[in-house]
Amino acid sequence: DGGITQSPKYLFRKEGQNVTLSCEQNLNHDAMYWYRQDPGQGLRLIYYSQIVNDFQKGDIAEGYSVSREKKESFPLTVTSAQKNPTAFYLCASSMEYTGVGLGEKLFFGSGTQLSVL
Amino acid sequence: EDQVTQSPEALRLQEGESSSLNCSYTVSGLRGLFWYRQDPGKGPEFLFTLYSAGEEKEKERLKATLTKKESFLHITAPKPEDSATYLCAVQNSGYALNFGKGTSLLVTP
Repeated sequence: DGGITQSPKYLFRKEGQNVTLSCEQNLNHDAMYWYRQDPGQGLRLIYYSQIVNDFQKGDIAEGYSVSREKKESFPLTVTSAQKNPTAFYLCASSMEYTGVGLGEKLFFGSGTQLSVL
Repeated sequence: EDQVTQSPEALRLQEGESSSLNCSYTVSGLRGLFWYRQDPGKGPEFLFTLYSAGEEKEKERLKATLTKKESFLHITAPKPEDSATYLCAVQNSGYALNFGKGTSLLVTP
């Protein structure tokens, strides 16, 4: 079945540690996104990638980094510079970035809950 | 600045009791308004896209409508399995997508 796989489901970060969240899709989509979801808040865009080897900062990119070396994969690293990393992280994809503006729906993974030890 | 406000924050209905969820928005050039459903601990699942005022879309017990300032998600004769958080998102002419905080719906038997 086609879809987006995020792993792990739960992740714990120690002080000063970098952690990486995995996101893989087999939908052959060009565009991929990382969102952060906090209780009582709307989804906020961290980074997005329109095509392989290219990515752009979203609204809250500070303390995060990404790479897009393969079309299928868009990992997110939460660095030690992110002082408040506890949140639910969602990866999404769409056929093309501008396609979202044409009613192209976002496909979401099941999310990773990151907590600080 | 684009804004998306969903109301109410939480709604509790009896099974079969119809109601509506509201999504009010201000946006620079509406490109599309999206509704998603999110179950606890899961990612959002796409429901509808609306493009222009007057447009309506239906799916089972759900019907979404759009005006120039707001969208409604009408739920007719809801069932317990309709319990979820419903998210509204608005896309502006620059392709930026803004999500509301969601409405948490609980339908009791």
